[in-house]
Formats: sequence, C-alpha cells, structure tokens
Amino acid sequence: DAGVIQSPRHEVTEMGQEVTLRCKPISGHNSLFWYRQTMMRGLELLIYFNNNVPIDDSGMPEDRFSAKMPNASFSTLKIQPSEPRDSAVYFCASSPGQRQTQYFGPGTRLLVL
Amino acid sequence: QKEVEQDPGPLSVPEGAIVSLNCTYSNSAFQYFMWYRQYSRKGPELLMYTYSSGNKEDGRFTAQVDKSSKYISLFIRDSQPSDSATYLCAIPFNTNAGKSTFGDGTTLTVKP
Repeated sequence: DAGVIQSPRHEVTEMGQEVTLRCKPISGHNSLFWYRQTMMRGLELLIYFNNNVPIDDSGMPEDRFSAKMPNASFSTLKIQPSEPRDSAVYFCASSPGQRQTQYFGPGTRLLVL
Repeated sequence: QKEVEQDPGPLSVPEGAIVSLNCTYSNSAFQYFMWYRQYSRKGPELLMYTYSSGNKEDGRFTAQVDKSSKYISLFIRDSQPSDSATYLCAIPFNTNAGKSTFGDGTTLTVKP
C-alpha cells in the first residue's frame, strides 16, 4: 500500500492567491482528517470526513478555507485568498474508522509570501 | 483547549540515557491512549498505544498510564540517535470534542 498521498509537497505562493492541497487516502479507509501544524499551535484539526461527508469542520479557521471529498479516494483543501498567516504544514490523515489509528501523509509545506 | 496537554520540551539527552515523555489528559472516560512519533519533515506515525489499565512494553519503549492522576508517560531505554524526533501523545478521535486530540509534541534530540 502506498499510504496516504498528498500533493504538492511544497507550495510557495503570494498573498491573495488561491491554494489547493490534495489528498488520496488509503484505500478502504472511511475517515479522513485535515490538520495544520505550526510551531506555535501544534497539530490543529481543521476538518473531519466520514464516508465522504464532512462531519466536523469547527476547526476551519475562517471562510477562506474550504474542503471537499467528492469520492472515497480524493479530498481537497482550498484556501482562497491565501494570507501569510496560513503558512504551515498541512497534513491529511485517514483511518479505517473514526476512533482508530490515523495514518498521516507526508504533508504539504505551504509558504504564503 | 486541548484534550491532552504535553510537556513542551525540547529535550536533549546523551546516547544511552533513559528518556521520560509526559502528558496529562482531562477526561477520565478515555480508555486508551496513543503515542505518535514524527521525524523531521515527515508526518506523525503511530509508535504504540496503551489501554488505561496499565503499562505496555515494546522493545526499548514503555507506555504507562496513571489513571488516578490522569497522567500518561512514554519511557525510552538506552536511547539512540535514531530516536531523535517529536513525540506526540494522543487520545482516540471523537466528534464531540471538536478539538485536536493530539498533544503539541515534545522534540527529543539524542546526542551520540
């Protein structure tokens, strides 16, 4: 199994631009999580999907952030417009079930100038 | 507010030392706990988990839970430079929390 796949691995963009992060979860996993990690705030949960349905998006910082999961093998996290304070590492994780071990992707390092 | 609070570190020890990493948790209903390890520029990966009833040993690693004080610990014996990483304690995800179920992590450096 290839594990959780994220793309791009690195993204540098200018303030105001749209950023789209992509995730392919492990096949057969029905829970998907998006996290943001920074030195100041640690690992923050942004949104949780179960069976492709967003269940908890209370961690999404503001309306500039949106996430979709059109099918069981693909999810996107979009930031529009991006701001320098969005600079962080964004992780996608999947698990076989809500309360089971989460398997993380390698992350996307985002830098907004 | 996080469900688990972790000693911030960083921690630097010589090779061969015994390392103790610690977290506290808020909800006495939690039944098991997890430790994740995150190498630099990688995603976290599960290191081990333990139920709230006591200790679990896996090679040089021991996870311990003290329910009375709501304290969880990870001990590393004979630490190696390859153990240098960030260690995060975690509880099982639950939708009622609306919060991250991971601690902030303790960064460990083991010097040769």
